[in-house]
Amino acid sequence: RKEVEQDPGPFNVPEGATVAFNCTYSNSASQSFFWYRQDCRKEPKLLMSVYSSGNEDGRFTAQLNRASQYISLLIRDSKLSDSATYLCVVSLNTNAGKSTFGDGTTLTVKP
Amino acid sequence: NAGVTQTPKFRILKIGQSMTLQCAQDMNHNYMYWYRQDPGMGLKLIYYSVGAGITDKGEVPNGYNVSRSTTEDFPLRLELAAPSQTSVYFCASSYQGQGRNEQYFGPGTRLTVT
Repeated sequence: RKEVEQDPGPFNVPEGATVAFNCTYSNSASQSFFWYRQDCRKEPKLLMSVYSSGNEDGRFTAQLNRASQYISLLIRDSKLSDSATYLCVVSLNTNAGKSTFGDGTTLTVKP
Repeated sequence: NAGVTQTPKFRILKIGQSMTLQCAQDMNHNYMYWYRQDPGMGLKLIYYSVGAGITDKGEVPNGYNVSRSTTEDFPLRLELAAPSQTSVYFCASSYQGQGRNEQYFGPGTRLTVT
């Protein structure tokens, strides 16, 4: 079993749709959680950190469920510019900062 | 403030050749990382460093070497290049403290070994 698992998709949605991605992790001692966005042939960029209480940034909402060991990302009112691959990242803070990346979920938003 | 810079952007190597991928950051981050990303796949950690003079292996270190003589620079050395090392290489850095470990990535080096 992979340490971090994501549904690879692709998710194809129309503009304005709401889409949700889930990510599961295997190590219950994981401390930090992030969503990164990666555009085609570009470097990953931090989208948002995921906090225990859940957090929202504009159209993006991230949730953490420690009991079930998954995190989620909800995108509301999808824009064409949201088309990208979304990477789930999990980190053990005590382990010298090493992070484990999921393989990513690809989103295509269509007109 | 340039963030994380990587050189070269592209390189073609012949089997058996060697090269060094350069990475520098100007954010005074203590942690630095090297990843490789094969087509359609996630990032795999090659090596990382928690500070100048300290490095450690990641998930896929074979065929690579690193050094960290300064806080700013973290070069990755490929000895005896093989086709299996064809990939995109990303360098990243982070400030590791109080649970903050958001990583900032360079633009990547696209390497082809033929």
